[in-house]
Amino acid sequence: QQQVKQSPQSLIVQKGGISIINCAYENTAFDYFPWYQQFPGKGPALLIAIRPDVSEKKEGRFTISFNKSAKQFSLHIMDSQPGDSATYFCAASIGYGGSQGNLIFGKGTKLSVKP
Amino acid sequence: SAVISQKPSRDICQRGTSLTIQCQVDSQVTMMFWYRQQPGQSLTLIATANQGSEATYESGFVIDKFPISRPNLTFSTLTVSNMSPEDSSIYLCSVDPTGVRETQYFGPGTRLLVL
Repeated sequence: QQQVKQSPQSLIVQKGGISIINCAYENTAFDYFPWYQQFPGKGPALLIAIRPDVSEKKEGRFTISFNKSAKQFSLHIMDSQPGDSATYFCAASIGYGGSQGNLIFGKGTKLSVKP
Repeated sequence: SAVISQKPSRDICQRGTSLTIQCQVDSQVTMMFWYRQQPGQSLTLIATANQGSEATYESGFVIDKFPISRPNLTFSTLTVSNMSPEDSSIYLCSVDPTGVRETQYFGPGTRLLVL
């Protein structure tokens, strides 16, 4: 019930295209859903995050769509660029949850954007 | 935000030896975390290290194998003891400046290879 399932494992997109990465969760107590971006040789960096009181959050070319009833959320990267090539991790946690508030990460999606 | 540095950035060690990884933060933070990221895999929380208290270990990780020190609000160490090839991984330090276990900033990681 603590798992976050992420798909696809890898994704190849042409420059200018839309990259879509999906995550699903079981624990309905989760109330914070961040996405992290990790470049080779670097630590993960927070990209964008959403809470379940909204269905969508947009920051520049990055959008999170959230479907509470389906217990799914996704990351959309519009106008994908070669510089977006990285591994993306979704995560979930219970905010203010003490020890239950630990981030649970998905397995990651390796995105390659072809020029 | 927080800027995190880790030492060493990478190391190759012999089985049976121990390695201590240092994590330095540019600001005072209460909550610090240590993660393991095995090649091509997701991030797994090893322990939470809050200054002034004993580290809290996640299931599958024990203090004898991964002793942690947290002497002040800007520094922590993780020791990987009696190493085996299965310990080959990236070890990441992370901090949460907000204290609510949400926005986490990661260090660049320490890449460990055990022969």
